[in-house]
Amino acid sequence: DAGVIQSPRHEVTEMGQEVTLRCKPISGHDYLFWYRQTMMRGLELLIYFNNNVPIDDSGMPEDRFSAKMPNASFSTLKIQPSEPRDSAVYFCASSPPIYNEQFFGPGTRLTVL
Amino acid sequence: GDSVVQTEGQVLPSEGDSLIVNCSYETTQYPSLFWYVQYPGEGPQLHLKAMKANDKGRNKGFEAMYRKETTSFHLEKDSVQESDSAVYFCALSDGAPGGGNKLTFGTGTQLKVEL
Repeated sequence: DAGVIQSPRHEVTEMGQEVTLRCKPISGHDYLFWYRQTMMRGLELLIYFNNNVPIDDSGMPEDRFSAKMPNASFSTLKIQPSEPRDSAVYFCASSPPIYNEQFFGPGTRLTVL
Repeated sequence: GDSVVQTEGQVLPSEGDSLIVNCSYETTQYPSLFWYVQYPGEGPQLHLKAMKANDKGRNKGFEAMYRKETTSFHLEKDSVQESDSAVYFCALSDGAPGGGNKLTFGTGTQLKVEL
């Protein structure tokens, strides 16, 4: 299995631009999670989906952040407009229906100038 | 709400030393407990887990005992190697109905093993 796939691996953008991060979960996993990691705040859960439906988005910092999961094999996290304080590593993780182990992707390092 | 506390931000043992990395948790549910490991430039990956009280998770010489009476899940190893250097996260899944597979993570402990 290819594991969780994230793209791009690195993104550098300027303040005010729209940023879209992409994730392909492991086939057969029905939970998908988006996390943000920074030195100051550690690993933060932003939102998670079950069977493509958002279950808990209480970690989404602001309305500038949105996430979608149009089908079982694809999810996006969008930031519009981006700000320098959004600079972080964003991880996607997926989890199978029975076991609660999460499998993380390699992350997208976002730098907003 | 659930919480996981890791008291050490960084530990600096020498190769061959024994290791204990502390983890304490709070939850009203019956959690599963995990240690995740993160190497530079990678996402966290499952290192070991324990699904219920008195279970012991094991992997690559590391062990952690799920102790309900002290609400702890300390990570231990008898003799660390330089290759063990990484960031270690303790996490819990509360297993609440409808809670999905949500994990609560600690702040992480950086292990740097010195030669």
